[in-house]
Amino acid sequence: SYVLTQPPSVSVAPGQTARITCGGNNIGSKSVHWYQQKPGQAPVLVVYDDSDRPSGIPERFSGSNSGNTATLTISRVEAGDEADYYCQVWDSSSDHPGVVFGGGTKLTVL
Amino acid sequence: EVQLVQSGAEVKKPGESLKISCKGSGYSFTSYWIGWVRQMPGKGLEWMGIVYPGDSDTRYSPSFQGQVTISADKSISTAYLQWSSLKASDTAMYYCARHREQQSDYWGQGTLVTVSS
Repeated sequence: SYVLTQPPSVSVAPGQTARITCGGNNIGSKSVHWYQQKPGQAPVLVVYDDSDRPSGIPERFSGSNSGNTATLTISRVEAGDEADYYCQVWDSSSDHPGVVFGGGTKLTVL
Repeated sequence: EVQLVQSGAEVKKPGESLKISCKGSGYSFTSYWIGWVRQMPGKGLEWMGIVYPGDSDTRYSPSFQGQVTISADKSISTAYLQWSSLKASDTAMYYCARHREQQSDYWGQGTLVTVSS
C-alpha cells in the first residue's frame, strides 16, 4: 500500500515561514490535499489538488508537489496556525483503492 | 450551508453493538461520497471507508474490512458506521466527511466512542 511520510514536528517563530513536507513514491503524479486540525476540533481542508485553497483559507497557505515530495507552506506564521497538519492522497494503484493519510506534523509556533 | 452533524458520544462495554450516524444537509446528499475516519487518542487520522448514498456502493480500507459496516439511508440523508461487537481498541473519535473528488471538503464534528468494561 502507498505510504506518506511526514516529519513529526516543525517549529517556527511568528512571522516566519513554515514548510511541512509529505514524502511518497512519485507523489508528484498524484493530487495532494492538506488538512489542519486544532486540538479538540475536526480537521479542516486548507489546500487541495496540490496548491488550490478552499474559500475562506488565507493566501498564506500554499502548496507544491513534485517528484517524491509535496510541501505545505505557511507564510507569515501566526500563533493561531499552531495545529497538526496532515497530507492526503487517493491511492488508486493498489487492489484496494482508497484514501491515504500521512502520519501528521505538529506545527509549533515559538 | 453544507453541514454534517454526527450523533453524540457513546460509552459501551466490550462485546456490545453500536451504530453512529452522520446527517448531511445543505447539499445533494446522494451526489457525494461520505467517508469515515478514525482518530485514536493522541494519534493520527485513519481512513476507514466510504459510501455513495446514491446507490449505497461501499468501499473499505483493508484495515477495517470485516470490522465495521458502513451504510447510508438516502431518504433521511444519513450515513452510518456500525460495529457488531466492540472492543476496547475501538475507543476513538470517529469523523464523517464529504468527499468532493479525491479530498474531504466538509467534516462532521466527530463522535467519541469509549469502550470500557
